[in-house]
Amino acid sequence: QKEVEQNSGPLSVPEGAIASLNCTYSDRGSQSFFWYRQYSGKSPELIMSIYSNGDKEDGRFTAQLNKASQYVSLLIRDSQPSDSATYLCAVNHPGGYNKLIFGAGTRLAVHP
Amino acid sequence: EPEVTQTPSHQVTQMGQEVILRCVPISNHLYFYWYRQILGQKVEFLVSFYNNEISEKSEIFDDQFSVERPDGSNFTLKIRSTKLEDSAMYFCASRDSSSGNTIYFGEGSWLTVV
Repeated sequence: QKEVEQNSGPLSVPEGAIASLNCTYSDRGSQSFFWYRQYSGKSPELIMSIYSNGDKEDGRFTAQLNKASQYVSLLIRDSQPSDSATYLCAVNHPGGYNKLIFGAGTRLAVHP
Repeated sequence: EPEVTQTPSHQVTQMGQEVILRCVPISNHLYFYWYRQILGQKVEFLVSFYNNEISEKSEIFDDQFSVERPDGSNFTLKIRSTKLEDSAMYFCASRDSSSGNTIYFGEGSWLTVV
């Protein structure tokens, strides 16, 4: 069974700090990596996608990918209380129709 | 912005009853998915659908489940005889080839089996 692993948290950071969320995956054939944000009782909302090794920045968010280490991370700069949510790492299952395999998510709590 | 829409948002059903969850994917998307999330657990893949047929399904998607695209817009998930353990949030999702591998999720249908 191909797995995506995340620390469940909660990760607690003060407002304005950098939140760092990590994810590892087991399938070396995976090519696409996603971070979704999920508020309680809501659907996953796409934050970032990354396909190549290195960093990808979008506003306050930076995704980092290291395929050799099978590691993907998400940095949130200037964290806000509204960023408090569960962050889901998702990895595509290669071949076929690109289903996503999700990690269990990391709960982030940003306190004022 | 186009979005995936799902109905109903919440359904309560008795064990053994049939349930149909409905989805309208984003209009130019070609690949459709159902996922589910049991309360407090991870999002799990159920089935993918392309070119009017199932392309892949998980071990969760047994004979009690079926999917259908009855017309050009709707995509449905049917559970024939619901069990207590089917209680979960069911998410419909879609993507097209031009959005890379990005999958967009609907708001979900919360199913409670009593």
